[in-house]
Amino acid sequence: AQSVTQPDIHITVSEGASLELRCNYSYGATPYLFWYVQSPGQGLQLLLKYFSGDTLVQGIKGFEAEFKRSQSSFNLRKPSVHWSDAAEYFCAVGAWNNNDMRFGAGTRLTVKP
Amino acid sequence: DAGITQSPRHKVTETGTPVTLRCHQTENHRYMYWYRQDPGHGLRLIHYSYGVKDTDKGEVSDGYSVSRSKTEDFLLTLESATSSQTSVYFCAIAGTSDNEQFFGPGTRLTVL
Repeated sequence: AQSVTQPDIHITVSEGASLELRCNYSYGATPYLFWYVQSPGQGLQLLLKYFSGDTLVQGIKGFEAEFKRSQSSFNLRKPSVHWSDAAEYFCAVGAWNNNDMRFGAGTRLTVKP
Repeated sequence: DAGITQSPRHKVTETGTPVTLRCHQTENHRYMYWYRQDPGHGLRLIHYSYGVKDTDKGEVSDGYSVSRSKTEDFLLTLESATSSQTSVYFCAIAGTSDNEQFFGPGTRLTVL
């Protein structure tokens, strides 16, 4: 079965600084990849997804992610972080049907003023 | 926001008691999922449904059962709750099996 690793449990960045959250996946075929964000006490909101095509994917709230097959990675980036970006971020991988989607353990982002 | 509600939002129960959590959607989506979220584990799939009366097990299905008698409702039942089932439970829906999932607000369950 597929699996996801998010190596960083917690990241702290200053407001206005750039951000990169790492995600590595394991899956034998072409993966369906997702990044979700969860604010405290809330459900998950989809930031962006990759199914095929252009390996650089644009999402909501100024986020982007790049699919690198050779590195089995799907890292999330943002050029300038805002205080409202403080949340927990989850990477997920699915197969051709997402009835067995696997999530990473999450990365908690703290934004310093 | 996708029309997904979960009830109850919070519940405290005792070991050995039955518990049912409800997920209700107004989107007429075919696929519905139940996940649990625990620190250090992210979200893990418990059960999912691909239509009325059509359900299947996920990664962590032991101790849980589900039912879907109507398109809009997906019930998760803990027949005899245990402390290891203390968790936050999320319902999700999807229009097609290969599309993004929309998540409900979650139910925090504490088993004493």
